[in-house]
Amino acid sequence: GQQVMQIPQYQHVQEGEDFTTYCNSSTTLSNIQWYKQRPGGHPVFLIQLVKSGEVKKQKRLTFQFGEAKKNSSLHITATQTTDVGTYFCAGNSGGSNYKLTFGKGTLLTVNP
Amino acid sequence: NAGVTQTPKFQVLKTGQSMTLQCAQDMNHEYMSWYRQDPGMGLRLIHYSVGAGITDQGEVPNGYNVSRSTTEDFPLRLLSAAPSQTSVYFCATSPWGSSGYTFGSGTRLTVV
Repeated sequence: GQQVMQIPQYQHVQEGEDFTTYCNSSTTLSNIQWYKQRPGGHPVFLIQLVKSGEVKKQKRLTFQFGEAKKNSSLHITATQTTDVGTYFCAGNSGGSNYKLTFGKGTLLTVNP
Repeated sequence: NAGVTQTPKFQVLKTGQSMTLQCAQDMNHEYMSWYRQDPGMGLRLIHYSVGAGITDQGEVPNGYNVSRSTTEDFPLRLLSAAPSQTSVYFCATSPWGSSGYTFGSGTRLTVV
């Protein structure tokens, strides 16, 4: 079945440093979504990318979807303590738009 | 609007007991799903529904039943609880299966 792999598993940064998490799928994706989960909380939808090579920005967050639609990245510029949490990517393959497969997530901690 | 409401928030069961986790949404979303989250395993799809009267299996359906008699409600039934079902369970909804999900706050289940 479809697999979505995410690296790194953990990332600890000093406040103000940049952070990037990478997502790779074993199959071509019809779209990719990114979520953030604060410790003890529930996942919160951040963004969806649909087009090959698409780049979207949300303030300090930049999301990219690869040309082959098999990989994606999330980059945070100048991290803040409010960025702490686990970031998940999740993808739909062309076979089923109803089965969103999540990566295992990257836990980001920020030292103030 | 409450969004997605999950009850209970916490539950302890004895092995072999049955119970129903409730999920209700007031956003008129057609798509509803159940995920379980375990340490190091990410979020795994249990069952999903694309509308009232329609359900299907996800990645880890064994030991769980679902039904969808109304648009608003999507209960998850544990037939005979096992320690392996100790997890955090999230209900997630979307207008349709390939758009961003809204998650409930989760049910933390412990089976002893």
